[in-house]
This record gives sequence, C-alpha cells and structure tokens, in this order.
Amino acid sequence: SAVISQKPSRDICQRGTSLTIQCQVDSQVTMMFWYRQQPGQSLTLIATANQGSEATYESGFVIDKFPISRPNLTFSTLTVSNMSPEDSSIYLCSVPGGGGAGAYNEQFFGPGTRLTVL
Amino acid sequence: AQSVAQPEDQVNVAEGNPLTVKCTYSVSGNPYLFWYVQYPNRGLQFLLKYITGDNLVKGSYGFEAEFNKSQTSFHLKKPSALVSDSALYFCAVRDILFRNTPLVFGKGTRLSVIA
Repeated sequence: SAVISQKPSRDICQRGTSLTIQCQVDSQVTMMFWYRQQPGQSLTLIATANQGSEATYESGFVIDKFPISRPNLTFSTLTVSNMSPEDSSIYLCSVPGGGGAGAYNEQFFGPGTRLTVL
Repeated sequence: AQSVAQPEDQVNVAEGNPLTVKCTYSVSGNPYLFWYVQYPNRGLQFLLKYITGDNLVKGSYGFEAEFNKSQTSFHLKKPSALVSDSALYFCAVRDILFRNTPLVFGKGTRLSVIA
C-alpha cells in the first residue's frame, strides 16, 4: 500500500486568502486525485492530476479556484484560492494502489487537511 | 454511469451484536466494489474489495461483505460489533468499463456501537 502524507494537517484562514496543500507519496504514481469532504459528508472529487499534463476538473470545480500542480510522480499541490467560509472542508489526496488505476485497484488516502475559513 | 447508494445515514447496534451496513450499486458493466472506514479526524482506510470469485469477501478488523449480483448489493457485515467499530463507513464502486478513473463513493453511513 502507498503511504501518503499531507501538509498542513489543519489550518484556520481568513476570507479572501489562499492556502496551498501539499501531498507526498512514498512511491511513484501516474494518477493522483483530490477530494473534498465537508463535515460528516461524502467525498466529492475535485480533480484528477496526472504528471506531465493539466489536471482534469470535475463539474463545479475550476482551475482558477483550485489550481493544481503535479511536478513529479510523487508530489502534488492543491491551492484553495480566494477562500470563503463555504470552502471549509477536509481536503484529501488519493492515489490508486497496485501501481495503476486498473478497475480492480483500491485507492489509498492521505490523512487529510482540515481547513476552516473565517 | 456508475453510482452507489447507502440508504442509511446512521446505524446503531449494541456491542456484541451482528452489524450490517447496506450498499447498493449501479453500473453498466461489471462492478468492482470497495468498503472504506473513516475514524474521527483520520483519512479513509481501505477495508476490503470484491473483484471476482467468492461472493463473500473477508477484510480487515473482522469485517466481511457479501456481493449479490441479482440485488446489486454489497453489504458490509461483522458477526460481533465492537465499540471501537464506531466510525463512518463508505461504499465505493468502479465499473470495469471505466478503468483508470477514480472510485465513486456513496454518501456514507455512520455506525454507532453502544456498549
């Protein structure tokens, strides 16, 4: 299984500012996923980040608000820009297991970044 | 399209009793099914998955799940619940037709085991 770390683990931010979340994986992976989880709720996919290409965003999420970088096969960042209280959530990065995203592979998750916007 | 339904927001069970957390799915092809658990202030932990073969799948912490194709269900079970099993449980699916895509998750079921 992949070991995933995220920084910061939590933060409290002011409205209108930006926060960059880092995700580090202990092995090389082609695909990384970023999710948002509002308190007590399910996971909502924000985007898929492949190394060497632009991230693919889900409906309702745009690059200007959630820019993603993927500089190499073990690292990615998600920035939450111009934050509002509605952005208060847990942000999770995730990678496929088994060296790929074949249909049968589970995903592994980082511990999450708990963001509170005041 | 792929989707997962977890019909119960909350399941309460007494310690020592069997527990079931329900999950149904919808896919166009064949489903690959997964269960995850999330403890408070923690990330998601993988419990088990169904790929093919035996319909009863065993996973971590004594959990098992039964795949039922005719009912399009994949319910999570444990013969004897522990207080420490109290957590948020997520069912997820990936259709074999959509390889190289992220898992699709249900809305989650909160399990509360009462001593």
